[in-house]
Amino acid sequence: DGGITQSPKYLFRKEGQNVTLSCEQNLNHDAMYWYRQDPGQGLRLIYYSQIVNDFQKGDIAEGYSVSREKKESFPLTVTSAQKNPTAFYLCASSRAGTVGSHEQYFGPGTRLTVT
Amino acid sequence: AQTVTQSQPEMSVQEAETVTLSCTYDTSENNYYLFWYKQPPSRQMILVIRQEAYKQQNATENRFSVNFQKAAKSFSLKISDSQLGDTAMYFCAFMIPSGNTPLVFGKGTRLSVIA
Repeated sequence: DGGITQSPKYLFRKEGQNVTLSCEQNLNHDAMYWYRQDPGQGLRLIYYSQIVNDFQKGDIAEGYSVSREKKESFPLTVTSAQKNPTAFYLCASSRAGTVGSHEQYFGPGTRLTVT
Repeated sequence: AQTVTQSQPEMSVQEAETVTLSCTYDTSENNYYLFWYKQPPSRQMILVIRQEAYKQQNATENRFSVNFQKAAKSFSLKISDSQLGDTAMYFCAFMIPSGNTPLVFGKGTRLSVIA
């Protein structure tokens, strides 16, 4: 079955530690995205990548880093510089280019709790 | 910059009744796509319906339909014969297909279907 996987579903870390969230897709999509979701805030874009080895900052990139070494994978690292990292993180993917509706398909999300 | 506004943070509807969720957006573009996503308590984001701006006909998907008013920049979602499983957060989203720009989301409307 094609889809997007995120692991783990729940993640706990101590303050000051970096943590990497996994996102893998087998939909052959070129574009991948990371969103953060907080209560009452909707989805806010952290980083996105339209092609391998290239990515752009979203609206709230500070304290986060990404890599896109493979088409299938787009890991997100939450660094110790992120002041309020506890949140629900969603990964998504879509076709890139200018043709088609480019709807995004989402993974199940990772709930990160930092104490 | 594009913005999406959902003015109803919370709504409720009786089972089997009809409910309409509002969404307005701001853009100077003429060609774009609009989406409604559903996020049930499982937190999995699910695409409900999409609309291409160049199509005058309103999109429908079973019990879900939209009222797309391009001149008014309005994109409301109507849910007919509401079911308990429709209880979820609903997000309106906007996308420009050219330039590979990501989706812009509204802050969401929490819909509760009451038995």
